[in-house]
Amino acid sequence: DAKTTQPPSMDCAEGRAANLPCNHSTISGNEYVYWYRQIHSQGPQYIIHGLKNNETNEMASLIITEDRKSSTLILPHATLRDTAVYYCIVRVPSSGSARQLTFGSGTQLTVLP
Amino acid sequence: KAGVTQTPRYLIKTRGQQVTLSCSPISGHRSVSWYQQTPGQGLQFLFEYFSETQRNKGNFPGRFSGRQFSNSRSEMNVSTLELGDSALYLCASSLRTGTTNYGYTFGSGTRLTVV
Repeated sequence: DAKTTQPPSMDCAEGRAANLPCNHSTISGNEYVYWYRQIHSQGPQYIIHGLKNNETNEMASLIITEDRKSSTLILPHATLRDTAVYYCIVRVPSSGSARQLTFGSGTQLTVLP
Repeated sequence: KAGVTQTPRYLIKTRGQQVTLSCSPISGHRSVSWYQQTPGQGLQFLFEYFSETQRNKGNFPGRFSGRQFSNSRSEMNVSTLELGDSALYLCASSLRTGTTNYGYTFGSGTRLTVV
């Protein structure tokens, strides 16, 4: 799995958009970008994933640069409940030899009132 | 639809004892993975079971073991507990092994404290 780099922490004002960056400069052509988040003392929660096109769902949007070396998770209107650690994971889905998720340190997002 | 259920939620054990944690996956999910989370090491993969067989294993000592039953429920066991085994143990289920597009659903975890 390609290595990812995320800032250790970020703050965001409630109601504003939260933009969480992730660098994955060694990503290969068949690796997807996944985002999970973990609210304190709970299990990680899937947010969104993408290969090269921008993706949007009810939780967030994922913007992947054209060269795919970085991506940004966007929470359009952050609420206090979005305070969590956000993990960016790059991997090949259904990879035969690596079926686990490899979590890095993630970004601690704090939404401020 | 019920989520992933882990029991117990909290556990306190003494060094040298053994412990068994339980995970009931989402109905219909046949793959169960286990992760250990500590402040120092973060989230680390322990092992994965599918169809009652261990399919993948992380870099943990043999004191950590698991099994899966025919109903896909899984247990993990830690023998000869050490203080460093204190952690949040998370279970994740998915429809089948290797399904990672959005297939992993995590439970709330079991908080194990070894004293």
